[in-house]
Amino acid sequence: GESVGLHLPTLSVQEGDNSIINCAYSNSASDYFIWYKQESGKGPQFIIDIRSNMDKRQGQRVTVLLNKTVKHLSLQIAATQPGDSAVYFCAENLGGGYNKLIFGAGTRLAVHP
Amino acid sequence: KAGVTQTPRYLIKTRGQQVTLSCSPISGHRSVSWYQQTPGQGLQFLFEYFSETQRNKGNFPGRFSGRQFSNSRSEMNVSTLELGDSALYLCASSSGVGEKLFFGSGTQLSVL
Repeated sequence: GESVGLHLPTLSVQEGDNSIINCAYSNSASDYFIWYKQESGKGPQFIIDIRSNMDKRQGQRVTVLLNKTVKHLSLQIAATQPGDSAVYFCAENLGGGYNKLIFGAGTRLAVHP
Repeated sequence: KAGVTQTPRYLIKTRGQQVTLSCSPISGHRSVSWYQQTPGQGLQFLFEYFSETQRNKGNFPGRFSGRQFSNSRSEMNVSTLELGDSALYLCASSSGVGEKLFFGSGTQLSVL
């Protein structure tokens, strides 16, 4: 269904630890997935994407895992830094020849020194 | 390469007025999408334009409309503003279908 952001879960981690942010998506037909980071007062910033024909993709300090069987995405951030503190959204593209993203509710990541 | 640019950054309007927001996509991007972000509903898709044609529309009333120009710049318009239209309106551009979408900083609209 459409994104509903009534409750924003928070993940608190210590600086230097690894963070894992999870997301359940809704549509089995979605073929493209993106993770975004949003800091206060800014628009969502692209982090990493993955297509449905892959189950893992790595970037700089970030890894996205896709499990199509259970419709689950995760974002792993290695050696989390204070600058990683933000709200993280997963988004699924429903495809069908359009760019229509359905966003998850978001997870707030708080990094403590 | 410059990012997605949205103007104005902030707007204050009163109920019943109308508003026009502007978005300039990344150079070369022909797809422009608009999203509404509120604390209660999160990020919700409004519509997408590609080569001046609206390709898809979200579940919003007809008061919300948009258009795209030949240079790919886009505008969205909200008529007869309601208090519930207060939100951050975000524009995203992409080079094509199923490609990365990059967002602007948004226009924060407050309806009093």
